[in-house]
Amino acid sequence: DGGITQSPKYLFRKEGQNVTLSCEQNLNHDAMYWYRQDPGQGLRLIYYSQIVNDFQKGDIAEGYSVSREKKESFPLTVTSAQKNPTAFYLCASSIGTAKNIQYFGAGTRLSVL
Amino acid sequence: RKEVEQDPGPFNVPEGATVAFNCTYSNSASQSFFWYRQDCRKEPKLLMSVYSSGNEDGRFTAQLNRASQYISLLIRDSKLSDSATYLCVVSQHTGGFKTIFGAGTRLFVKA
Repeated sequence: DGGITQSPKYLFRKEGQNVTLSCEQNLNHDAMYWYRQDPGQGLRLIYYSQIVNDFQKGDIAEGYSVSREKKESFPLTVTSAQKNPTAFYLCASSIGTAKNIQYFGAGTRLSVL
Repeated sequence: RKEVEQDPGPFNVPEGATVAFNCTYSNSASQSFFWYRQDCRKEPKLLMSVYSSGNEDGRFTAQLNRASQYISLLIRDSKLSDSATYLCVVSQHTGGFKTIFGAGTRLFVKA
């Protein structure tokens, strides 16, 4: 099955801990994205990558880091610097960023212990 | 003012009703427009792209008005399964990439 796989589905973070959310796609898409969704709000872009070994900050990149070493993979690390990490995190991919239809993974719900 | 604004609703309609959602955007350089559907605690899924000429997919019709900077979605003959949150998405990809998701409009279709 082609698609985007996010793991884990649920994640709990302790104070001062870094956690990494996984996102893998087998759609052969060049572009990948990370969004955060809070209740009652739209998705907000954290980081995006248009090509392997390149990524750009989105609107709310502070406290997050990413890497794009492989075309299929775009992991997101929520660092201890992110003081309010509780949210629904969604990864997406598209063929490119021009006229991009984005396809989403099932998401990871992150909570703070 | 938010870059993309939607009426949050909720819209409560009976089965078979016709319901319309509007979405306004502030960036006149926006180039691509979409409606996504999001079920409770699930990921967004593409419903349809939106073009100036208007486009229809079964019971769903989307329209773009560039002059007034708004997008509309019309759902005819509503089904119980149409109950969801509908997200308006506006994207720019020249002169810098930018995609903005609206906060969504909630629809409840009742039997």
